[in-house]
Amino acid sequence: QVQLQESGPGLVKPSGTLSLTCAVSGGSISSSNWWSWIRQPPGKGLEWIGEIYHSGSTNYNPSLKSRVTISVDKSKNQFSLKLSSVTAADTAVYYCARNSAAGTDYWGQGTLVTVSS
Amino acid sequence: DIVMTQSPDSLAVSLGERATINCKSSQSVLYSSNNKNYLAWYQQKPGQPPKLLIYWASTRESGVPDRFSGSGSGTDFTLTISSLQAEDVAVYYCQQYYSTSMYTFGQGTKLEIK
Repeated sequence: QVQLQESGPGLVKPSGTLSLTCAVSGGSISSSNWWSWIRQPPGKGLEWIGEIYHSGSTNYNPSLKSRVTISVDKSKNQFSLKLSSVTAADTAVYYCARNSAAGTDYWGQGTLVTVSS
Repeated sequence: DIVMTQSPDSLAVSLGERATINCKSSQSVLYSSNNKNYLAWYQQKPGQPPKLLIYWASTRESGVPDRFSGSGSGTDFTLTISSLQAEDVAVYYCQQYYSTSMYTFGQGTKLEIK
């Protein structure tokens, strides 16, 4: 059973950089799957941020592309998200997840990141 | 980008009755090479991550009760709960994963008990 766990600071200052890591267990990040970050502002819907393959190939949401970097560390079986120049609008629960041919089939529990001074 | 639009935004159904949620994509999510619709449905309960219910528009994920079913093709899709149970109260989302450079979700449909 694949499990994903997000970690990182819960509070980021405006104009700063949000950094999160997703640890994958119960499966290899080098499997034939893409690995995503998805966020959900409080009380709102889901927004796909981007994804990465173990080769390092990435796809990003065009609306966030200029501020997003997703990277992978195969030695640690984890992948990471960096979002720069954050504002209050970036306050959300951030989920990491696995994509397969069957959609997004495994999700982390999510971590709330608040942007505030 | 493919835009996903769900209807209604909220829905109240009596226990044991049928619940129907619609999802429309701005362009077809049918992949002609394998004749599969790259459309998934998720259930999200408060404080929890979304849970995959249906993929390829009509295939139930393992462990999902058979009262949940998905239908449709191309641009129009439906999630049906045949007999609503109290534990089905949640927000439901559709998602297209046809455009692999940009997955998109519908805005969500809140399902409540009448």
